Amino acid sequence: DGGITQSPKYLFRKEGQNVTLSCEQNLNHDAMYWYRQDPGQGLRLIYYSQIVNDFQKGDIAEGYSVSREKKESFPLTVTSAQKNPTAFYLCASNGGMRGHQPQHFGDGTRLSIL
Amino acid sequence: GIQVEQSPPDLILQEGANSTLRCNFSDSVNNLQWFHQNPWGQLINLFYIPSGTKQNGRLSATTVATERYSLLYISSSQTTDSGVYFCAAPSGGYQKVTFGTGTKLQVIP
Repeated sequence: DGGITQSPKYLFRKEGQNVTLSCEQNLNHDAMYWYRQDPGQGLRLIYYSQIVNDFQKGDIAEGYSVSREKKESFPLTVTSAQKNPTAFYLCASNGGMRGHQPQHFGDGTRLSIL
Repeated sequence: GIQVEQSPPDLILQEGANSTLRCNFSDSVNNLQWFHQNPWGQLINLFYIPSGTKQNGRLSATTVATERYSLLYISSSQTTDSGVYFCAAPSGGYQKVTFGTGTKLQVIP
């Protein structure tokens, strides 16, 4: 079955440490997205990518970095510069530039600070 | 960018009751999406509805793009309907999607 796989489900970060969250999709979608959700809040866009080797900052990109070396993969690195990283992170994809299409989401990664 | 507002922010229903959730958006759009986030955090696609009305079981949605709103109807609510309902509309030249702040629904037995 096609879908979006995020790993790990839970992740703990020590102070000063970078961590990378994985997002893989087998839907053949061009566009991929990363969102952050804080408790009781909506989704905020961190980064998005419309095509391989290209990505744009969203509304809250500071302290995060991404890469898009393959169509199927869009990993997110939470750097030590992100001072409040504890949140629920969701990855999504859609058909991108071929025309706006519904977004599909992975099951998310919960990141906590030790 | 586009503003997306949802109402009410919180809703408590007795099991079996009906409800209507509203989504207003500040700019004209050519599509809109409704999601249900369950208590485990999973976001489930409910409707992709640029205009008109769609139905899926006890749920239905109507988007009136010219008046910049969409409605989600839940009939005969069940406890499994509990969670947060989000609407989302495209922005930034349709490359991005902006989410509303959500309606938190609790259905009690």
